[in-house]
Amino acid sequence: EPEVTQTPSHQVTQMGQEVILRCVPISNHLYFYWYRQILGQKVEFLVSFYNNEISEKSEIFDDQFSVERPDGSNFTLKIRSTKLEDSAMYFCASSVQTDTQYFGPGTRLTVL
Amino acid sequence: EDKVVQSPLSLVVHEGDTVTLNCSYEVTNFRSLLWYKQEKKAPTFLFMLTSSGIEKKSGRLSSILDKKELFSILNITATQTGDSAIYLCAEVGAGGTSYGKLTFGQGTILTVHP
Repeated sequence: EPEVTQTPSHQVTQMGQEVILRCVPISNHLYFYWYRQILGQKVEFLVSFYNNEISEKSEIFDDQFSVERPDGSNFTLKIRSTKLEDSAMYFCASSVQTDTQYFGPGTRLTVL
Repeated sequence: EDKVVQSPLSLVVHEGDTVTLNCSYEVTNFRSLLWYKQEKKAPTFLFMLTSSGIEKKSGRLSSILDKKELFSILNITATQTGDSAIYLCAEVGAGGTSYGKLTFGQGTILTVHP
C-alpha cells in the first residue's frame, strides 16, 4: 500500500540554523500539507500546497517558513532560522481530490 | 475560528469493553469530519464523515455524524490492547482554494488493559 515517507526521522539543530524537512507524498496525490505537533499539544495546520503554489497557510507559517516541490516527487519544508519553540514533530500529508489526508511518520525536530 | 473539542481526554478500560469517544465542532463552513488513530507517530486514517446519520463501519469500529447537533462519535466494541492509542477528530475546512486544512481536537487517549 502506498504511503507518505519523511526524512529524517529525527533532526537536531542549533538555534538560528536552517533546516530542511523532506517528504515524498503518495505518487498520484495532488494536494500536500505540513502540520506540526508540539509535545503534548494538538496537531496544528501549517500550510497546504497545490499546483506548485501555497493554497492556504496558518499564522504559524511566517516568513521563516517556506515550502517547495523541487521535483516530481519531493515536498520540502524549510525553516530559515530555527527557534527553540520550533521544536516539534512535523508531519507531511497528502491527498487526492478528497478530504482524506494521509500522514507520513513525521520528523522530530529538536532545536537546542 | 474553527474549533474541535473531544471528550473524554483519557479513558482506561479492560479488554472486551465497549467505548464511545465524542467529538464536537464549531465551524464556519463545514465540509467533513475525519477520525484518525495515532499510535507511536503518524495519525492513521479511520473514517471520513460528510452526511448526518449514516454510520461508517470498519470491523469493531464505527462512527456517525450529527450535523444538526454538531458532533460525531466513534465507537469501539470488544476492545483489544491493540486499540490503545490517541484517537483524533479533525474537521475539514472549506476555506480558500485548498482541499482542506484540518483542524484537530486535542485527542482522546485510550488505554486498554488486558
